[in-house]
Amino acid sequence: QSALTQPPSVSGSPGQSVTISCTGTSSDVGSYNRVSWYQQTPGTAPKLMIYEVSNRPSGVPARFSGSKSGNTASLTISGLQAEDEADYYCISYTSGSTYVFGTGTKVTVL
Amino acid sequence: QLVQSGAEVKKPGASVKVSCKASGYTFTSYGVSWVRQAPGQGLEWMGWISAYNGNTNYAQKFQGRVTMTTDTSTSTAYMEVKSLRSDDTAVYYCARDLNYGSGSYFYYMDVWGKGTTVTVSS
Repeated sequence: QSALTQPPSVSGSPGQSVTISCTGTSSDVGSYNRVSWYQQTPGTAPKLMIYEVSNRPSGVPARFSGSKSGNTASLTISGLQAEDEADYYCISYTSGSTYVFGTGTKVTVL
Repeated sequence: QLVQSGAEVKKPGASVKVSCKASGYTFTSYGVSWVRQAPGQGLEWMGWISAYNGNTNYAQKFQGRVTMTTDTSTSTAYMEVKSLRSDDTAVYYCARDLNYGSGSYFYYMDVWGKGTTVTVSS
């Protein structure tokens, strides 16, 4: 199972919007609405930001949103803030009853 | 919360067993996924175990070299990696998985341990 493809980096100024893509196949992202997104800052465990494509856990700011079209899922951060600078990973459940992570994207706030 | 065992230093060819003790929820109503992160690298899913019935699924890469178990009497999950190599040096995380097995509705990880550093070096 190959890793899902994410852009290595995205950047934006405070207040701008950024979108991170996560491209898989019909055996993972395209098969189910079982894509979640995690935020990770250096030296810490990943934090759940989005589950089941577009659902936000309680406590996650509303500026984080998720969507999916075909084999590509996306995470959008609207109104970028300095505290959003981190690495972001998507993950999808697969038709083989396993999970596969994305390659990870570093978000930089300019 | 999930509390993981402490850092380990192992020689190539040895085995390591990492523990993950759960508290604050009904252990057998969830699964546990294990994820690792090599230095400077991304996250890698290793496998999953149902705390409900002990069923497991492993990433193909780790089949035969990794064993995941649970002890429901102590709400603890374990992951053992055998035949360690230098490229197994990583931080190993356990995470509570909403997927507990057949019939699960949700498939994601919501609570994570702080990680266990495993260093493989001669």
